[in-house]
Amino acid sequence: DTAVSQTPKYLVTQMGNDKSIKCEQNLGHDTMYWYKQDSKKFLKIMFSYNNKELIINETVPNRFSPKSPDKAHLNLHINSLELGDSAVYFCASSQARTRSNEQFFGPGTRLTVL
Amino acid sequence: DQQVKQNSPSLSVQEGRISILNCDYTNSMFDYFLWYKKYPAEGPTFLISISSIKDKNEDGRFTVFLNKSAKHLSLHIVPSQPGDSAVYFCAASATGRTGTASKLTFGTGTRLQVTL
Repeated sequence: DTAVSQTPKYLVTQMGNDKSIKCEQNLGHDTMYWYKQDSKKFLKIMFSYNNKELIINETVPNRFSPKSPDKAHLNLHINSLELGDSAVYFCASSQARTRSNEQFFGPGTRLTVL
Repeated sequence: DQQVKQNSPSLSVQEGRISILNCDYTNSMFDYFLWYKKYPAEGPTFLISISSIKDKNEDGRFTVFLNKSAKHLSLHIVPSQPGDSAVYFCAASATGRTGTASKLTFGTGTRLQVTL
């Protein structure tokens, strides 16, 4: 049973296109996240949703728009893709009431913008 | 400004010996620290964590030590096994006003290679 799943696993697209990455978790968690791992392997938070409400929004271009239809799903839509958007995007989830903030990660989506 | 730093990008250790991975942080508000392990083409998986009220937490072959005054933590793996070869990320979080944790801030990772 996959706890946190992402689709697609690989995404190759042209500059200027719009694309979406989907994430689903079956852990019953109430908080979900999107992280970006760039070419330097630095894993950085982009967004976090708690019960479908945006709670963390780091300095991310507004071409990136997360959408949470329910607390088990957090999708990431990217408009007007740029070369610099090429990275691995990880979805994660956690239960907000725990102090430890242990987060469970999906397998990642490798986005390549040509 | 990197608040969590892992200054060793790579480490090579012989099977059976001890692996020590280090992590430094600058934000004194961090009160929970986690180690994640990552294999290629997979997401990070949680390994072990420690609260700032403790200085040591042990789970099988894995032990995390926290030195709050030095703002330093380390992960010890004893004995190291070839399957431990992966990238290890240190992460930290701070408890918010509501009593729940905030975002995780990650270090850049250390690639551990356990050789036969």
